[in-house]
Amino acid sequence: DVMLLESGGGWVQPGGSLRVSCIVSGFTFGNYAMAWVRQAPGRGLECVSAITNGYDDTLYTESVKGRFTISRDISKNTLFLQMNSLRVEDTGLYYCAKIRLGMGDAFDLWGQGTMVTVSS
Amino acid sequence: EIVMTQSPATLSVSPGERATLSCRASQSFGTSLAWYQQKPGQAPRLLIYAAFTRATRIPARFSGSGSGAEFTLTISSLQSEDFATYYCQQYNRWPYTFGQGTRLEIK
Repeated sequence: DVMLLESGGGWVQPGGSLRVSCIVSGFTFGNYAMAWVRQAPGRGLECVSAITNGYDDTLYTESVKGRFTISRDISKNTLFLQMNSLRVEDTGLYYCAKIRLGMGDAFDLWGQGTMVTVSS
Repeated sequence: EIVMTQSPATLSVSPGERATLSCRASQSFGTSLAWYQQKPGQAPRLLIYAAFTRATRIPARFSGSGSGAEFTLTISSLQSEDFATYYCQQYNRWPYTFGQGTRLEIK
């Protein structure tokens, strides 16, 4: 079965760091672009970061540039999001998502999310 | 960034009736537009991509239309399981952006 399973969320104080992970199964991970999407409590969806297939180019939304780093380990079928200098406004449920055929396409598979809470 | 605006914020419709949800973009971009359904406590689910192509295993009562900057999701005959929040998303230009959602509720 195709599956995406996030982990690593938790509570952290402002200015702290956290790394969330997403282990995938059921498809050839290295062949697809992947993304992280977050959802603040009771709010809508925001694309935070993406990584392309092939050359692993990375993209970030403006508010996380210089603080977040997306990466992947193909040997472990795992996608990562390293989050540094966290802010209260980074609080939310972080989903990993598979991009259907590559960058410039819809998100056809989603995990269940891992919750990140930034609070003092 | 491209701003996506959905209307209405909440739509009340009776089961068996038709629902029409709208999505407008701040810039025109062709058909790089997706619709997602999200139920409470669940991840979003892809319904429509490329503005009008149904995703795998999505029932035919869901249809998408539009191009440029105006898009529509139509649910032809609402079933109980269709009451949820719906989001549009443009994936033409990074950052890919979502609308704020339309909550479809039972009338």
